[in-house]
Amino acid sequence: KAGVTQTPRYLIKTRGQQVTLSCSPISGHRSVSWYQQTPGQGLQFLFEYFSETQRNKGNFPGRFSGRQFSNSRSEMNVSTLELGDSALYLCASSLSRDRGLDEQFFGPGTRLTVL
Amino acid sequence: AQKVTQAQTEISVVEKEDVTLDCVYETRDTTYYLFWYKQPPSGELVFLIRRNSFDEQNEISGRYSWNFQKSTSSFNFTITASQVVDSAVYFCALSEAVNFNKFYFGSGTKLNVKP
Repeated sequence: KAGVTQTPRYLIKTRGQQVTLSCSPISGHRSVSWYQQTPGQGLQFLFEYFSETQRNKGNFPGRFSGRQFSNSRSEMNVSTLELGDSALYLCASSLSRDRGLDEQFFGPGTRLTVL
Repeated sequence: AQKVTQAQTEISVVEKEDVTLDCVYETRDTTYYLFWYKQPPSGELVFLIRRNSFDEQNEISGRYSWNFQKSTSSFNFTITASQVVDSAVYFCALSEAVNFNKFYFGSGTKLNVKP
């Protein structure tokens, strides 16, 4: 079974630009979550999508947005990039059926560098 | 508020030594879930264990063991007879019953196992 895939793996952008990152969950998984990892703030939850609807949201500005498609693939978008947006963006997927037994599987991440 | 503290930023041991990674958490919920993930240099978070708040049984899996104590809000992770391949950053995480896939991560402990 293929794992969670994220594209692209590396990205370099300049301030003010926008960027779109993609995540393909494990087949059959309906929940996709996004996390930002930086040396200063660590791993922070961005948002979760389930059945094409945002189910949870972290404390990030509106420049960070996402969506999920009917095949459960998800994209996140960051507009008006700032230097502080440089980070590893991780995507995780889960079946999201039984909380007591569910498990999130993480992708390899997209390394975004903002110059 | 939910919070996970991993006070040990970095630990260095020599191969075959035992090492314990500490994790202390805060939550007001009575039902919650605790996790440990391993992040090798490649960046992908690898799931190690999930523990439900109502199950305080300790667990052993090969060289890995976990000690969950609700009385001290701790969920510590011990590696017995460490190996060089155990070198990675280890994260402890907390989620709550309502927003199960919204993880609160600790800051991570970098483990260096030297030959």
